[in-house]
Amino acid sequence: DGGITQSPKYLFRKEGQNVTLSCEQNLNHDAMYWYRQDPGQGLRLIYYSQIVNDFQKGDIAEGYSVSREKKESFPLTVTSAQKNPTAFYLCASRPFSGSRYTQYFGPGTRLTVL
Amino acid sequence: DQQVKQNSPSLSVQEGRISILNCDYTNSMFDYFLWYKKYPAEGPTFLISISSIKDKNEDGRFTVFLNKSAKHLSLHIVPSQPGDSAVYFCAASADTGNQFYFGTGTSLTVIP
Repeated sequence: DGGITQSPKYLFRKEGQNVTLSCEQNLNHDAMYWYRQDPGQGLRLIYYSQIVNDFQKGDIAEGYSVSREKKESFPLTVTSAQKNPTAFYLCASRPFSGSRYTQYFGPGTRLTVL
Repeated sequence: DQQVKQNSPSLSVQEGRISILNCDYTNSMFDYFLWYKKYPAEGPTFLISISSIKDKNEDGRFTVFLNKSAKHLSLHIVPSQPGDSAVYFCAASADTGNQFYFGTGTSLTVIP
């Protein structure tokens, strides 16, 4: 089955620790995205990547880092520099970056920093 | 600066009636618009989209209307069903850009 997987579903970390969230897609999509959702807010873009080994900052990139070594994988690292890391994180992909192509989402990872 | 706005945080509708969810945008470069449905602790699911060359797109019970002059789009669900209860996000993209901009969502409750 084609789709986007994110693991784990729930993640707990102690304050001050870095944590990496996984995102894998087997849709052969070129572009991949990371969003953050907080209660009562929309989806805010953290980072996106249009091709392998290239990525751009979104609106709230501070305290996060990404890599895109393979087309199907786009992991997100939440570093200790991120002041409010507890949130619901969503990964998305779409075939190309042109506006006519719909974006599809994974199931999300709930990160709680204790 | 919020480029896509959903000014109604919540909406309650009786089963069988019409649900109308609204969305406004400020960027005149946006030319592709989408609606997503989201349940708690899940990823958004794509519902329907519309290109700026159209003013209406229909898919079953879901219809999206686009008023470019007013920079406004709406999602109509007819008839509404209890399973439609979820948060609905609108999103917009410009052909010259690489990202979507999302509204803050409207929580729809369909009352049986």
